[in-house]
Amino acid sequence: DVKVTQSSRYLVKRTGEKVFLECVQDMDHENMFWYRQDPGLGLRLIYFSYDVKMKEKGDIPEGYSVSREKKERFSLILESASTNQTSMYLCASSFRGRQSPLHFGNGTRLTVT
Amino acid sequence: AQKITQTQPGMFVQEKEAVTLDCTYDTSDQSYGLFWYKQPSSGEMIFLIYQGSYDEQNATEGRYSLNFQKARKSANLVISASQLGDSAMYFCAMREGGSGNTGKLIFGQGTTLQVKP
Repeated sequence: DVKVTQSSRYLVKRTGEKVFLECVQDMDHENMFWYRQDPGLGLRLIYFSYDVKMKEKGDIPEGYSVSREKKERFSLILESASTNQTSMYLCASSFRGRQSPLHFGNGTRLTVT
Repeated sequence: AQKITQTQPGMFVQEKEAVTLDCTYDTSDQSYGLFWYKQPSSGEMIFLIYQGSYDEQNATEGRYSLNFQKARKSANLVISASQLGDSAMYFCAMREGGSGNTGKLIFGQGTTLQVKP
């Protein structure tokens, strides 16, 4: 069965800390994505990657960076966490192709205090 | 610019009745794909149905069907014979053909559906 695993379900960090969110997929998907989900705003794309070491900015990349050193792993980095980055973070992956649906992890609820 | 619009923040439906969740989109591409996802209170995102812009027939998957009106740029989800387990948030999403290999999906704000017994 398709599996996208996010390393933490809940995370609490302090303002200014560097935060790493990890995501691993076991489906050999080329594409990987990081979204954040906030009430009333839906899912907003932070960054995505269509190949190892390749990355592109999404709609809200400010304050975030990503790393994809291996095909199965896509990391989201909050360089200096701020309270407005408190949110639900969803990782997803897919094959290339217009018809390919995204497969999501269970999400990481991050609270920055 | 908002590319996917879901105008119904919340909806109620009686069990066993049908319900339509609205989605309109904006794109200048001729080639694109439309998706619907379900997110129950547990938080996981479940893929429901896909419609391609060149598909001539409306997509169907079990109790889910997609009412695709290309000229009006709408892709409404129809759930027939609602069940209590259908209570969830539903998201419409679009992938433009220009996304090419990247496969980027843009999501709407979501609609919360509550099924009443």
